[in-house]
Amino acid sequence: DSGVTQTPKHLITATGQRVTLRCSPRSGDLSVYWYQQSLDQGLQFLIQYYNGEERAKGNILERFSAQQFPDLHSELNLSSLELGDSALYFCASSVGPSGVNTGELFFGEGSRLTVL
Amino acid sequence: TQLLEQSPQFLSIQEGENLTVYCNSSSVFSSLQWYRQEPGEGPVLLVTVVTGGEVKKLKRLTFQFGDARKDSSLHITAAQPGDTGLYLCAGRGGSNYKLTFGKGTLLTVNP
Repeated sequence: DSGVTQTPKHLITATGQRVTLRCSPRSGDLSVYWYQQSLDQGLQFLIQYYNGEERAKGNILERFSAQQFPDLHSELNLSSLELGDSALYFCASSVGPSGVNTGELFFGEGSRLTVL
Repeated sequence: TQLLEQSPQFLSIQEGENLTVYCNSSSVFSSLQWYRQEPGEGPVLLVTVVTGGEVKKLKRLTFQFGDARKDSSLHITAAQPGDTGLYLCAGRGGSNYKLTFGKGTLLTVNP
């Protein structure tokens, strides 16, 4: 158990819909990262928050948005869903910001999104 | 953009065999990590290497960071079915120390 909690574990929805994925980081971790994993693209970095502020942005589509709340949990919002958005979405947390050179990321079990 | 190429993409071997998987890039990384991901779970950190030429051992797993800090290898001795999983390398570099993952090597160890 990594200490990172993600909900829901599975989600099936239709094209055009909007979903919200939730992540609670490990106790004491200030950084939250969102990754998308698919068979062809591998693990792709989407976005990172540190202590409530956006810290780094990766390959995140404009239809996607995220935020980190004062209690440090984070939500990833995916809207106008397309078939190609079907993937595993992982949240990870770490103690410090991305500037920590050797920081370990602790991953949740992921949310599997299926868009039909 | 820093890219990490992992090879082979798939590897299926018998219990007891040795194997090596590779992680290569044209970019220099300040550190490199190896994660293992089992079905239905998130990646779990195995090791972090920082110094060029560094070798770290974790039981039957040996990790090496290339002298130029552009590549790494993972060698498993006497593989066991419990070693089955997706092995991901991740390099940290660039101005914001972003962690970039390779696509992974899917290892299956058959009993």
